[in-house]
Amino acid sequence: AQSVTQLDSHVSVSEGTPVLLRCNYSSSYSPSLFWYVQHPNKGLQLLLKYTSAATLVKGINGFEAEFKKSETSFHLTKPSAHMSDAAEYFCVVSDLVGSQGNLIFGKGTKLSVKP
Amino acid sequence: DTGVSQNPRHKITKRGQNVTFRCDPISEHNRLYWYRQTLGQGPEFLTYFQNEAQLEKSRLLSDRFSAERPKGSFSTLEIQRTEQGDSAMYLCASSLWTGPYNEQFFGPGTRLTVL
Repeated sequence: AQSVTQLDSHVSVSEGTPVLLRCNYSSSYSPSLFWYVQHPNKGLQLLLKYTSAATLVKGINGFEAEFKKSETSFHLTKPSAHMSDAAEYFCVVSDLVGSQGNLIFGKGTKLSVKP
Repeated sequence: DTGVSQNPRHKITKRGQNVTFRCDPISEHNRLYWYRQTLGQGPEFLTYFQNEAQLEKSRLLSDRFSAERPKGSFSTLEIQRTEQGDSAMYLCASSLWTGPYNEQFFGPGTRLTVL
């Protein structure tokens, strides 16, 4: 079965410092991995996706993630946090066994950014 | 606005009542998904449609739940005889399916509170 585990439920950083949100995945297949962000009272928005074309994936708003097969990880990073980055972040794997399309979400990491 | 829309945004009902939610996907998208998100958790898959055909239902979707997508356009999710455990955010997403790397576009959700 495919799954993702987000290692931190809450991360707090100061504005201007780096962000690291950790995600490990479990998959018997070459996975399709995504990071989504959810701001309060707003819909989920795709930050980036891994499509096997490149292990380092760049997304919107300065975020990037690196796919590491040996570590089964897909951590999300950003060099310098901004106040507007405060939100809930979800690591997601696409179900390639069942419906081949529905998304399996991690439990989320809440990012707080202090001024 | 050409994004995914959901109505109503909020619904408060009494236990035992029936409720119906509507989702309007992005017009050219052939797949439509329903997810449920409870407090502090990531979204969980409920069901999905490819055009008008409902292709998969999660075990989370009890007999009290029914979803339709007539004519392959908008979709409705009905919950009969609501229970307090049905209180959650119900999310709709759509995609133009060509493979597992496709992005799903999410609506803002319908928050259901069962008293």
